[in-house]
Amino acid sequence: EAGVTQSPTHLIKTRGQQVTLRCSPISGHTSVYWYQQALGLGLQFLLWYDEGEERNRGNFPPRFSGRQFPNYSSELNVNALELEDSALYLCASSQPGTSGRAMSYNEQFFGPGTRLTVL
Amino acid sequence: RKEVEQDPGPFNVPEGATVAFNCTYSNSASQSFFWYRQDCRKEPKLLMSVYSSGNEDGRFTAQLNRASQYISLLIRDSKLSDSATYLCVVSHNDMRFGAGTRLTVKP
Repeated sequence: EAGVTQSPTHLIKTRGQQVTLRCSPISGHTSVYWYQQALGLGLQFLLWYDEGEERNRGNFPPRFSGRQFPNYSSELNVNALELEDSALYLCASSQPGTSGRAMSYNEQFFGPGTRLTVL
Repeated sequence: RKEVEQDPGPFNVPEGATVAFNCTYSNSASQSFFWYRQDCRKEPKLLMSVYSSGNEDGRFTAQLNRASQYISLLIRDSKLSDSATYLCVVSHNDMRFGAGTRLTVKP
């Protein structure tokens, strides 16, 4: 079974530019989560999507946004890039709960990440 | 106060040693608990879920104390391949990750 996939693997941008990162969840998973992991720091929760809707958002400015498509894949967009946005961006997916509803506490499976460098 | 706090580490232990990691969380309404491991420059991978009754998976034992809002991970008979960063994860409305504890197992 294919795992979570992310693209691109690496990206170099300059300050002020915009970037779009992509994620495809494991087949059958309806929830997609985005995290930021800056060098030497822990994972910071960015966004949670399920069934095309944003379910929760971390403490990040509005220039971080995203969406989820009908096939459950997702995009993370970051506008007006700043130097401190340089980080590994991880996507994770999880199954719906036993009732069919999205549950925030199901096990999450991570993709390999996109390493973003802002110069 | 951070939502999830872990031993800062690093832990450097010889092969065969027993090592324990601790984690505390601030949200008493948290519902699920996990330990993930993350190898250098790789994505986190689920090590084990943590249940109220405690659970064991081979050399790994996880404990949860809801009253004290405390989670632990015990690794027995450490192997070189156990070297990684161990992340404590607590879930309420979303997953909150601890900063991780780095473990290095040496020959």
